[in-house]
Amino acid sequence: GQSLEQPSEVTAVEGAIVQINCTYQTSGFYGLSWYQQHDGGAPTFLSYNALDGLEETGRFSSFLSRSDSYGYLLLQELQMKDSASYFCAVRATGFQKLVFGTGTRLLVSP
Amino acid sequence: KAGVTQTPRYLIKTRGQQVTLSCSPISGHRSVSWYQQTPGQGLQFLFEYFSETQRNKGNFPGRFSGRQFSNSRSEMNVSTLELGDSALYLCASSLGLAGGSNEQFFGPGTRLTVL
Repeated sequence: GQSLEQPSEVTAVEGAIVQINCTYQTSGFYGLSWYQQHDGGAPTFLSYNALDGLEETGRFSSFLSRSDSYGYLLLQELQMKDSASYFCAVRATGFQKLVFGTGTRLLVSP
Repeated sequence: KAGVTQTPRYLIKTRGQQVTLSCSPISGHRSVSWYQQTPGQGLQFLFEYFSETQRNKGNFPGRFSGRQFSNSRSEMNVSTLELGDSALYLCASSLGLAGGSNEQFFGPGTRLTVL
């Protein structure tokens, strides 16, 4: 089957940098996605990595290492509005469905 | 462009009843996926429909079913409701099958409470 592991909670202060890790186990691999969800809101797409390396989108970057079955989301210049849950998700070539991790709750304090 | 809409937004049912939830995807999107979200369990995949065909199914009992219409709108049905079915049910649409470079757009969800 597929499984993804993320830390349950991460805390940081405004202006800091935080990294949220995701390790996955699949029998095939199509790509790693990241979603953000604020309390009471719907998940929104942040990034997608199909190949090894770093993808940068503004303050957010996402990294993938296929050989290590590992990825991370990097958030820079943290703002209070970044307090939310962050989910990694993979689609495995054999299973065809998109599977989400259990999510990491990020708490940003002043 | 209108986003993904889900109706109803809130629903209260009692055990043993059945419920039907509706999802209208973004215009032009052909894939609709359904997820159940509960505290501590994250987003659990229910099923995915593409062009009126169920393409994938998660590990849920047969009480959970769905369908997709020719206009890509989708419904999911839960029969013989149990207390454990209380959750936020999210619908997401994408141009193609979800995942990869196909970004999923989520609706606001339907909050189902089973008493």
